[in-house]
Amino acid sequence: KAGVTQTPRYLIKTRGQQVTLSCSPISGHRSVSWYQQTPGQGLQFLFEYFSETQRNKGNFPGRFSGRQFSNSRSEMNVSTLELGDSALYLCASSPAGSGGTDTQYFGPGTRLTVL
Amino acid sequence: EDQVTQSPEALRLQEGESSSLNCSYTVSGLRGLFWYRQDPGKGPEFLFTLYSAGEEKEKERLKATLTKKESFLHITAPKPEDSATYLCAVGTGANSKLTFGKGITLSVRP
Repeated sequence: KAGVTQTPRYLIKTRGQQVTLSCSPISGHRSVSWYQQTPGQGLQFLFEYFSETQRNKGNFPGRFSGRQFSNSRSEMNVSTLELGDSALYLCASSPAGSGGTDTQYFGPGTRLTVL
Repeated sequence: EDQVTQSPEALRLQEGESSSLNCSYTVSGLRGLFWYRQDPGKGPEFLFTLYSAGEEKEKERLKATLTKKESFLHITAPKPEDSATYLCAVGTGANSKLTFGKGITLSVRP
C-alpha cells in the first residue's frame, strides 16, 4: 500500500506571498492532520480534517488554513508568508480519526523556505 | 496543557552499547503514546503505539514500555543504522492532535 505523499517536496517563496501544499493520504484513510516542524519548536499541530470537515485546530494564526476533498486528499494554504513560516510541513493520515488512540502515518514533508 | 519531555536531548553510543531513551508526560487522560523515528530531511516513521501502563512492544533491537508517567525506548546492541532522532508523542481526548516531545538525537558509532 502506498504511503502518504506530499507535493511539492521543496518550495522557496518570498515574504508576503501565499503558498498551497498538497497531501494524499494512505488509501482508505479518512483523517488528515497537518504539523509544522521547526528546530526551535519541534512538531506542532496545525489542524485535522475528517470527512471534509475541520475537526481540530492548533494555536496558529488565521493565515494558516486548509481543506479536505471528497477523496480525502488535503491541501493547506499559508497566506502573507512571514520569515518565521520557514519550516518542514508534515501531513499525517490515520484510518478512522478515532482521536488519541489512532496511529498517524506521516508523509515526507514539504520544506518551505521564506526569503 | 499536555506536556511531553524527552531526555537526554542527544545520546552517543558505541555500536553494541545498549541504552534507554526516556519520554515523560503530563496529560489529562492518555489515550495513546506513540514512538517515531525520523531521519534527516524525512518525515517521522512510525515505530510503536502503547495504550496502557504495563504494556510493552518489541521490534528488532527496539523495545518500548509504558508506565503511568513515562515511556522508555530500549535499544539493545544498537548498530550505526539506528542513528536517527526518536520522537515521542501523546494522544489525548477525542481529537487527533498529537503533542510531541522535542526528540532525542541518537548517534551510534561503529
